Amino acid sequence: KNQVEQSPQSLIILEGKNCTLQCNYTVSPFSNLRWYKQDTGRGPVSLTIMTFSENTKSNGRYTATLDADTKQSSLHITASQLSDSASYICVVSHSNQAGTALIFGKGTTLSVSS
Amino acid sequence: ETGVTQTPRHLVMGMTNKKSLKCEQHLGHNAMYWYKQSAKKPLELMFVYSLEERVENNSVPSRFSPECPNSSHLFLHLHTLQPEDSALYLCASSQVSGISRSTEAFFGQGTRLTVV
Repeated sequence: KNQVEQSPQSLIILEGKNCTLQCNYTVSPFSNLRWYKQDTGRGPVSLTIMTFSENTKSNGRYTATLDADTKQSSLHITASQLSDSASYICVVSHSNQAGTALIFGKGTTLSVSS
Repeated sequence: ETGVTQTPRHLVMGMTNKKSLKCEQHLGHNAMYWYKQSAKKPLELMFVYSLEERVENNSVPSRFSPECPNSSHLFLHLHTLQPEDSALYLCASSQVSGISRSTEAFFGQGTRLTVV
């Protein structure tokens, strides 16, 4: 069964600290993996998209890693800011004869406090 | 017409019923979403829908199935629901361009669902 599991479910950190969010998946065949940031009141935005051959991809203070062998990904946020408070959703894409499908994790809710 | 319209506003259904929630947006957006708002819980993203990709979300039970016949309409088909599925179901839309860019999401007023 295609599944995406995220941990932790929620996280509270102080402004300026770093944190790492985890995503494990059992999706096959794998096409790509995305990390979305869901701000309250806004549509989810894609932070990074990684294919099978990519191990690390950065987008500003966000760095995503992918280990296709162990089927694990992480999202590392450095020097957190109050505006980083949001839900972070890991989404894995797979393709078959029916088309491309997105498998969602339940997300990690990050709260950054001053 | 308001930006995002949901019908019905309230729905009471038995566990063996089949019903559908409807959402319509008049904003010309290219992405639509279903959210679940349960009491004392964060807003839960259920489905993202664009015409480019079929959505399969295994974190949502299969008794919920989305349908997006065109860019302006979104449905959430419900069957054999459980009492714990009782919640406010919100539809939203936004305009997505490229990577990492989304306009503000406009939400409908929601459908208050009660499963008995």
